Amino acid sequence: DAKTTQPPSMDCAEGRAANLPCNHSTISGNEYVYWYRQIHSQGPQYIIHGLKNNETNEMASLIITEDRKSSTLILPHATLRDTAVYYCIVSSGADRGSTLGRLYFGRGTQLTVWP
Amino acid sequence: DGGITQSPKYLFRKEGQNVTLSCEQNLNHDAMYWYRQDPGQGLRLIYYSQIVNDFQKGDIAEGYSVSREKKESFPLTVTSAQKNPTAFYLCASSPRTSGRAYEQYFGPGTRLTVT
Repeated sequence: DAKTTQPPSMDCAEGRAANLPCNHSTISGNEYVYWYRQIHSQGPQYIIHGLKNNETNEMASLIITEDRKSSTLILPHATLRDTAVYYCIVSSGADRGSTLGRLYFGRGTQLTVWP
Repeated sequence: DGGITQSPKYLFRKEGQNVTLSCEQNLNHDAMYWYRQDPGQGLRLIYYSQIVNDFQKGDIAEGYSVSREKKESFPLTVTSAQKNPTAFYLCASSPRTSGRAYEQYFGPGTRLTVT
């Protein structure tokens, strides 16, 4: 049930900012935008989430457009260790009457950071 | 050190045998999940549990079974009925929320090979 569109791959020079785009044109008013990443052969790692406002934490910044139909994850100074698949996910806090929200992981964007 | 553990990291079985994958968390989370990942693909939800002694089927539950007898444990059994069991299996947990954003914490995964 993919609700997001991401480019399959991107690359970035070490030390530069990596800007990963995501389209979610059918997002509902109560749905959050989440970003996770998965380093090869490891479990996914939560990065950041947001609803309407831009968000920043120690890992990244999340920029959500005013109409909420797209977002960009920004890694301000990419390192080789940021090479991973990045998943953009939209989900509400509830799913079909249950109190548990579902996260649908698509294929994501393979980000390669080169020296 | 809080987190999720999965064991073993690699598992090999003969076709026709049932196999149980372990998942333990000490994060005091109510909700736990099992995902399957095939090469080059995103994650697909197998089963999830919101609370002890309760669980629901995800998108690809056929050929799998789970139990949730303790809050910290959510083992997954891959039965002989599962047609293509070879995959990377990921366990996750999250605090139980209703209508709010939450993050899922993932274990390191178990890579199952059935021949």
